[in-house]
Amino acid sequence: AQSVTQPDARVTVSEGASLQLRCKYSYFGTPYLFWYVQYPRQGLQLLLKYYPGDPVVQGVNGFEAEFSKSNSSFHLRKASVHWSDWAVYFCAVSMTSSGQKLVFGQGTILKVYL
Amino acid sequence: NAGVIQTPRHKVTGKGQEATLWCEPISGHSAVFWYRQTIVQGLEFLTYFRNQAPIDDSGMPKERFSAQMPNQSHSTLKIQSTQPQDSAVYLCASSLGRGPGYAEQFFGPGTRLTVL
Repeated sequence: AQSVTQPDARVTVSEGASLQLRCKYSYFGTPYLFWYVQYPRQGLQLLLKYYPGDPVVQGVNGFEAEFSKSNSSFHLRKASVHWSDWAVYFCAVSMTSSGQKLVFGQGTILKVYL
Repeated sequence: NAGVIQTPRHKVTGKGQEATLWCEPISGHSAVFWYRQTIVQGLEFLTYFRNQAPIDDSGMPKERFSAQMPNQSHSTLKIQSTQPQDSAVYLCASSLGRGPGYAEQFFGPGTRLTVL
């Protein structure tokens, strides 16, 4: 069965520093992968998506992610973090066949200090 | 485009009462999903519809939970005889379900259900 692991429950960085949030997936096939962000008391907002193709995908607000089939990973990166990036980030995988349900990781809380 | 609309945003029920949650998907989206979010379990898939037909309800608890999509503009999640362990944020999402970008799901703000 497909699964997603986000090994870091919390990450703390200073504003302006670079960021990497880790995501490992388990899926027997070609995955569709997503990163979502959740701000307090809000729903999930799509940051970026990976469909089979270029392994590096660009998202909103300077975020990017790199797919690695050999490492079964889809890590999220940002070159310079802003205080407004303080939120919870979820990695998710979808079965490729027909855009079915998403399986989510447990989420990573990103804290940004000034 | 108003996005996915969920009502109510907050609902408080007493143990044993019924709760009905509403979702209005983005116009033109053919797939509607329901998820449940708790601190302990995280984000869990419940059920989904495509073109109003139930496709996968593998995440739905076998008792007390039911979902319907009577028309393309809304779906409901009903919980009978609510229990404290049903307290969670219930998220609805919709997707195009076809063509480029078909797998992207757009989420509503959620309904926070509290069972006393």
